[in-house]
Amino acid sequence: DQQVKQNSPSLSVQEGRISILNCDYTNSMFDYFLWYKKYPAEGPTFLISISSIKDKNEDGRFTVFLNKSAKHLSLHIVPSQPGDSAVYFCAASVNAGNMLTFGGGTRLMVKP
Amino acid sequence: DAGVIQSPRHEVTEMGQEVTLRCKPISGHNSLFWYRQTMMRGLELLIYFNNNVPIDDSGMPEDRFSAKMPNASFSTLKIQPSEPRDSAVYFCASRRAGPYTQYFGPGTRLTVL
Repeated sequence: DQQVKQNSPSLSVQEGRISILNCDYTNSMFDYFLWYKKYPAEGPTFLISISSIKDKNEDGRFTVFLNKSAKHLSLHIVPSQPGDSAVYFCAASVNAGNMLTFGGGTRLMVKP
Repeated sequence: DAGVIQSPRHEVTEMGQEVTLRCKPISGHNSLFWYRQTMMRGLELLIYFNNNVPIDDSGMPEDRFSAKMPNASFSTLKIQPSEPRDSAVYFCASRRAGPYTQYFGPGTRLTVL
């Protein structure tokens, strides 16, 4: 039973446009959400996070939106750059605790 | 500051052999995590330690897997005996106390023939 799902395995976007990556969760106890980016042959790298007391968090080109009623979060990258091409994982935890549950990942390809 | 260090980066072994994966967390981090990434199951938590003590090992697939953390700067994940279905990328991650981000190592790609 997947508690965190990323339903789009891949996404292709033109450079300069917006990339929107989506994530759905089923466990209503999740209260802390993170996005990680992963390049081939490297470990996941933290990108941005959001607490359930917020509905938006922004860091430069990256913005995460949280819709608790829909149990949905999204990551917006504006503008997209070729260097953003990677696999993006969303993750969730209870009480901002140690145990992260990851989604299956979305492969983003940004075309020049 | 060095990140999480894992060794070896690649391991190829034959079924039935013992495999030991090693991890050095970031200095000052008191939580350490072992993850496994496979095509079928994605990225899943195997076990984590707080202050060198195993807290939750519910993700360890079976008794063939064991993990230790003898001190704050070193941890091992051992598979004995190894099987082809153990082939995966194994990641180690660490973080400071509190609701802080986990930092991942580069991973060990294990292939069991």
